[in-house]
Amino acid sequence: SQQGEEDPQALSIQEGENATMNCSYKTSINNLQWYRQNSGRGLVHLILIRSNEREKHSGRLRVTLDTSKKSSSLLITASRAADTASYFCATDRSGGYQKVTFGIGTKLQVIP
Amino acid sequence: SAVISQKPSRDICQRGTSLTIQCQVDSQVTMMFWYRQQPGQSLTLIATANQGSEATYESGFVIDKFPISRPNLTFSTLTVSNMSPEDSSIYLCSVVLGGGGIREQYFGPGTRLTVT
Repeated sequence: SQQGEEDPQALSIQEGENATMNCSYKTSINNLQWYRQNSGRGLVHLILIRSNEREKHSGRLRVTLDTSKKSSSLLITASRAADTASYFCATDRSGGYQKVTFGIGTKLQVIP
Repeated sequence: SAVISQKPSRDICQRGTSLTIQCQVDSQVTMMFWYRQQPGQSLTLIATANQGSEATYESGFVIDKFPISRPNLTFSTLTVSNMSPEDSSIYLCSVVLGGGGIREQYFGPGTRLTVT
């Protein structure tokens, strides 16, 4: 089964609004990473948050991590049409490097 | 970060044939990974390819179907053998950079394969 599960699976918002996507996982992790994938293309690495971090920012992106709830959120502020993409979270488990496991993704549509 | 290129970017192949996908990284990396993303799905790890050793395959994937080469620290190939329409997917190579508990994973642009 997938280690990470994003919700919602699909999200449609107006340009300028904020978009929040959530990710839940099952086991203890070293890091959690968020990726963007534009329609059928490669994944772009957005941000990595370590298990001992609670919040991280990068430009219009804000990621939070709650290890007690085994969940993370990705907030995109002031969304743009170019943010339209699928967003995936991926985790690698604690206890040495393990394969990174991807969730099923959230498909975000930003309407101009 | 890493710059990863893949060839071909896309291909349409007939069933029963084989396709070899190349992955080139702009820096030396120990671990390279091959993923498959079927239409509308998430990424599934096919195998881990370390230089100088046999690739390690995940459950459901076998070497006869997906032979992998890793001749050096910047290059790898994945072959999709005896293709069927079910192999139609995006195939992505990936590398991990970093250490000391911070390992960032980067992906190539993908190879979109359609099998007819």
